[in-house]
Amino acid sequence: KAGVTQTPRYLIKTRGQQVTLSCSPISGHRSVSWYQQTPGQGLQFLFEYFSETQRNKGNFPGRFSGRQFSNSRSEMNVSTLELGDSALYLCASSLSGEENYGYTFGSGTRLTVV
Amino acid sequence: GEDVEQSLFLSVREGDSSVINCTYTDSSSTYLYWYKQEPGAGLQLLTYIFSNMDMKQDQRLTVLLNKKDKHLSLRIADTQTGDSAIYFCAESSVDSNYQLIWGAGTKLIIKP
Repeated sequence: KAGVTQTPRYLIKTRGQQVTLSCSPISGHRSVSWYQQTPGQGLQFLFEYFSETQRNKGNFPGRFSGRQFSNSRSEMNVSTLELGDSALYLCASSLSGEENYGYTFGSGTRLTVV
Repeated sequence: GEDVEQSLFLSVREGDSSVINCTYTDSSSTYLYWYKQEPGAGLQLLTYIFSNMDMKQDQRLTVLLNKKDKHLSLRIADTQTGDSAIYFCAESSVDSNYQLIWGAGTKLIIKP
């Protein structure tokens, strides 16, 4: 079956712009989580969506937002981009977010802010 | 808050066994995971273990859990060049709403 698909793979934006990243989970998976990965901070949890509702949220400013659609696809939006937002953004899906076999990750979207 | 720690680098010779270690602080940890990340790629779940288990073996991978010391290890037998990657330890629990708490990752370097 198809894995977790993230688009686009690479993105270059300038400071002050906004960006939208997309994640299509594995078919049947209803939980989608987003992570930011940087060399300095490692993997940091952004938020999790389940059945179109944000269920958990990490410690990121309000510039970071997301949503989930009825088909479980999720989008993440970052407004007023800062240089420090340059990172690999990873999306992960699971059936319900509570299984014992972990999450399946996409290949990520590498965002560069210049 | 909860914390997961790993050493940043491990260097082994091709054909030897690699042992990557991880310690965690959350005493309510329910599930513990090992993920692998190759350059430019996402994270691949390698294996996981329940907190009520001591050991799990899956082909070349052996996971050992010492719950008393909150220590988790991943042994890779007969390490190959294709095992070069960053290995992340992560844990989750009911208390954390099953959100993954991640270590910083251990970069495995294979020497010929």
